[in-house]
Amino acid sequence: DSGVTQTPKHLITATGQRVTLRCSPRSGDLSVYWYQQSLDQGLQFLIQYYNGEERAKGNILERFSAQQFPDLHSELNLSSLELGDSALYFCASSGGGVSEQFFGPGTRLTVL
Amino acid sequence: GQQLNQSPQSMFIQEGEDVSMNCTSSSIFNTWLWYKQDPGEGPVLLIALYKAGELTSNGRLTAQFGITRKDSFLNISASIPSDVGIYFCAGQLSTGANNLFFGTGTRLTVIP
Repeated sequence: DSGVTQTPKHLITATGQRVTLRCSPRSGDLSVYWYQQSLDQGLQFLIQYYNGEERAKGNILERFSAQQFPDLHSELNLSSLELGDSALYFCASSGGGVSEQFFGPGTRLTVL
Repeated sequence: GQQLNQSPQSMFIQEGEDVSMNCTSSSIFNTWLWYKQDPGEGPVLLIALYKAGELTSNGRLTAQFGITRKDSFLNISASIPSDVGIYFCAGQLSTGANNLFFGTGTRLTVIP
């Protein structure tokens, strides 16, 4: 158990819909990272927040957005969903550098 | 984004055999990391490498940071069934970089 929690574990929705994925970092970690993992692919970095502020952006679509709240939990919002958005979405947290990330168990999103 | 090429893509080995896999890039990385992902779980950090030429072990696992800083290697000795999973390399371009680039993964199957 990494100490990072993600909810929900599974999410099934339809094209055009909007969903919110939630992540709670390890106690004391200020950084949260979001990744997308498509079938049998490596992880693609989406976005990082540090203590409530956006710190780095990767290949995140304009339809996607994220935020980190004062209690340090983070949410990833995916809107106007397309079939290709079906993937595993991982959150990771770090109390130090980017090389010290601990990953949550992921949310599997299926868009039908 | 940066491309990290991992090889082989998949491996089928007998229990007790040694395993070698590598990760290459066209860019120079400051940090190399190796993760293992079990089915339905998030990646777990195995080894972190911070210096060119560095050789680091974690039990039966040994990883090396290539001298050119464009590659890294992971060896697993005397494989056991629980070594089954997907192994990912990841790299950080510079000390201050806020994201990791992940390889495409090596899927390892250990035959008892």
